[in-house]
Amino acid sequence: EDKVVQSPLSLVVHEGDTVTLNCSYEVTNFRSLLWYKQEKKAPTFLFMLTSSGIEKKSGRLSSILDKKELFSILNITATQTGDSAIYLCAPTSNTGKLIFGQGTTLQVKP
Amino acid sequence: DARVTQTPRDKVTEMGQEVTMRCQPILGHNTVFWYRQTMMQGLELLAYFRNRAPLDDSGMPKDRFSAEMPDATLATLKIQPSEPRDSAVYFCASGLKEGSYTEAFFGQGTRLTVV
Repeated sequence: EDKVVQSPLSLVVHEGDTVTLNCSYEVTNFRSLLWYKQEKKAPTFLFMLTSSGIEKKSGRLSSILDKKELFSILNITATQTGDSAIYLCAPTSNTGKLIFGQGTTLQVKP
Repeated sequence: DARVTQTPRDKVTEMGQEVTMRCQPILGHNTVFWYRQTMMQGLELLAYFRNRAPLDDSGMPKDRFSAEMPDATLATLKIQPSEPRDSAVYFCASGLKEGSYTEAFFGQGTRLTVV
């Protein structure tokens, strides 16, 4: 059965801190891994990772995939209160099936 | 501004009633997902479609839930009869599968409360 585990489940930091969120997965016929940010409403897309070792960056956020060890990390540097959200990872299979982890709830305090 | 549209945004219904949720995927997307989100279970995949054909609905309680795509612009999720444990936020997402990769963009969700 496909499995996605995110850690930590929750995290409280102060503005300016750097955080690392983890996602490990076991998916049959893995193809890519997506990261999402969910604030009050719907998850919004952050990154899609398809190759090991190639970092994707968007501003203070970056992410990398390790297909050998079956995990991905999402880094956020110089955190701001607006980064407070649930961060979700979702590996996809070759059929395009998309399953989500439980998410990491990040709270950034001023 | 392409987006996934879900209706209704909120629904309160009595136990035993039928509930229908609708989703308009982004034009040109060939994949539609239905998810249910609760505090306890997180985002659970209920079903997904490719080119309007169901690929996997193993996450759905078959006795009361059904999902269809009558045409490329409409996906529906129906619960009959509804139960209090169905209370959750239901999300539809659509994506374009090109080759082996899929992105998915979410609608704003339908918050269902069954009393």
